[in-house]
Order: sequence, then structure tokens, then C-alpha cells
Amino acid sequence: DAGVIQSPRHEVTEMGQEVTLRCKPISGHDYLFWYRQTMMRGLELLIYFNNNVPIDDSGMPEDRFSAKMPNASFSTLKIQPSEPRDSAVYFCASSPNRAGGYTFGSGTRLTVV
Amino acid sequence: QKEVEQNSGPLSVPEGAIASLNCTYSDRGSQSFFWYRQYSGKSPELIMSIYSNGDKEDGRFTAQLNKASQYVSLLIRDSQPSDSATYLCAVNPSGTYKYIFGTGTRLKVLA
Repeated sequence: DAGVIQSPRHEVTEMGQEVTLRCKPISGHDYLFWYRQTMMRGLELLIYFNNNVPIDDSGMPEDRFSAKMPNASFSTLKIQPSEPRDSAVYFCASSPNRAGGYTFGSGTRLTVV
Repeated sequence: QKEVEQNSGPLSVPEGAIASLNCTYSDRGSQSFFWYRQYSGKSPELIMSIYSNGDKEDGRFTAQLNKASQYVSLLIRDSQPSDSATYLCAVNPSGTYKYIFGTGTRLKVLA
């Protein structure tokens, strides 16, 4: 298995632009999670899905953030409009069940200037 | 109080020594506990999981869980320079499917 695949690896954008991050989970994994990591706050859960349905989006910072999972093999995290404080590494992770640990993707390093 | 707390370190140990990493959590009903290793610039990698009180060993790694005291620890025996990384503790609070991560402890193994 190729693991959890994220794209792009790096994204540099100007403030106010729309940013879309993409994730392909491991086949057969029913849970998908989006995390954001910064030096100051560590790993923060933004949202997670179970069987393509959003279960908990309480970590989404504000309405500028949205996430979708149109099918079992694809999810997007969108920021519109982007702000410099959104600069972070965004990780996608998937899990086959609620009891097991996650497998993380390689992350997308987002820089908003 | 943070939900999952770890000492940020760095924790420096000589090569061959035992490294002891600790984590405390606030939700007494938490059921699942994990340790992840994260090398600089890389993604977290699962190294240990533990679900019941006591010790769980896997190679050079031992996870210890004490639910009464609400702490979980990770011991690394015969530490190697390649073990130098940040170690993240993750806890699954009761009634949820999500994991809360601590901010991590940076470990440095000195050759």
C-alpha cells in the first residue's frame, strides 16, 4: 500500500487566496483525520470523518476553513481566504477503526505571505 | 489544564542508556493510548499502543500505563542516536473517536 497520500507537499500563497489541500487515505480505512501542526500549538485536530461523513469539526478554526470527503478515497481541506496565521504543516491521517493508531501522510507545508 | 501534557525537553541521554518519556492526561475515562515518533521535517509514526494498565514491551520500547494516576510513559532501552526525535503522546478521550496529542518531548541521544 502506498500509505496516506497528500498533495501538494509545499504550498506558498498570498494572503487572501484560496488554498486547497488534498488527501487520499489508505484503502479500507474508515476514518480520516485532518490535523494542523505548529511549533506553538503542536498537533491540533481540525476535523474527522467516518465513512465519508464529518463527525466532529469542532477544531476547525473558523468559517474560512472547510473540508469535504466526497468518496472513500479522497478528501480536501480548503482555506478561503487564507491568512498568514494559517501557515503550518497540515497532516491527513487515516485509521481502519477507532481503536487503532493512525497512519499519517507526509503533510503539506503551507506558507501564507 | 491541558488535556495531554508532556515535558517539551530536550531530554538528553548518552548512547546505550534508558530514555524515559512521560505523559499525563486529564480525561479519567480515556481508553486508548499511543506513542508516536516524529523526526524533524517528517510526519508522526506510530511506535506503541497500550490499552490496559501495566507494561507492554516491543523490542527496545516499553510502554507503561497507570490509569489511576493518569499517566503513560515510554521507555527506550539501549538508546541509539537514531532514536533522536520528538516523541508524541496521544490519548483517546472517552466517548470520542479522536485522539488528542501532547506537544511532544524532544529526545537527544548523544553518541
